Amino acid sequence: QKEVEQNSGPLSVPEGAIASLNCTYSDRVSQSFFWYRQYSGKSPELIMSIYSNGDKEDGRFTAQLNKASQYVSLLIRDSQPSDSATYLCAVNRNTGFQKLVFGTGTRLLVSP
Amino acid sequence: EPEVTQTPSHQVTQMGQEVILRCVPISNHLYFYWYRQILGQKVEFLVSFYNNEISEKSEIFDDQFSVERPDGSNFTLKIRSTKLEDSAMYFCAGGTTGGELFFGEGSRLTVL
Repeated sequence: QKEVEQNSGPLSVPEGAIASLNCTYSDRVSQSFFWYRQYSGKSPELIMSIYSNGDKEDGRFTAQLNKASQYVSLLIRDSQPSDSATYLCAVNRNTGFQKLVFGTGTRLLVSP
Repeated sequence: EPEVTQTPSHQVTQMGQEVILRCVPISNHLYFYWYRQILGQKVEFLVSFYNNEISEKSEIFDDQFSVERPDGSNFTLKIRSTKLEDSAMYFCAGGTTGGELFFGEGSRLTVL
């Protein structure tokens, strides 16, 4: 079983729609969860972090965490063509040394 | 806004040659990391560095790899004898105890 699993996509949504990206993880002791955005040929850029069950909102982005189901999601409201990128889910099993384990990413395409 | 800087942005080398990739982390970061991403694949952890020593390394980080922080600011990754399969983007990242990692722009290594 992969440590962090994501659907590779592409996930295609029209401009203005809500994009929903999902991630599951295998290690139950994972404590910290992160969403990164990666444009082609560029480095990962941190979008959101979430540490507790529930929702966390930041502008158009909402991260959702359910530790019982080992599930993390990212909602992007009012999707824009500039949101087209690969979204990486990353998980850390403790709050000490921050070794992040990444999923393979979900490619999002937002059409005008 | 301070950022992690990496040099070179692209290096081409012959198989068997030594390569040194350099990184200047953000000054208040305490933890430093090297990750790599083979084209089309996921971001993979190589090594973490804290308090001037390696805190964790992956199975990828074999005897051909080494890291140093020679002058308290620069953070280097050395590959002693490059192989074709070392061709990848190498990302330096830094973080604090909060858990979030911030990545540099990456160094693309091409081994011929």
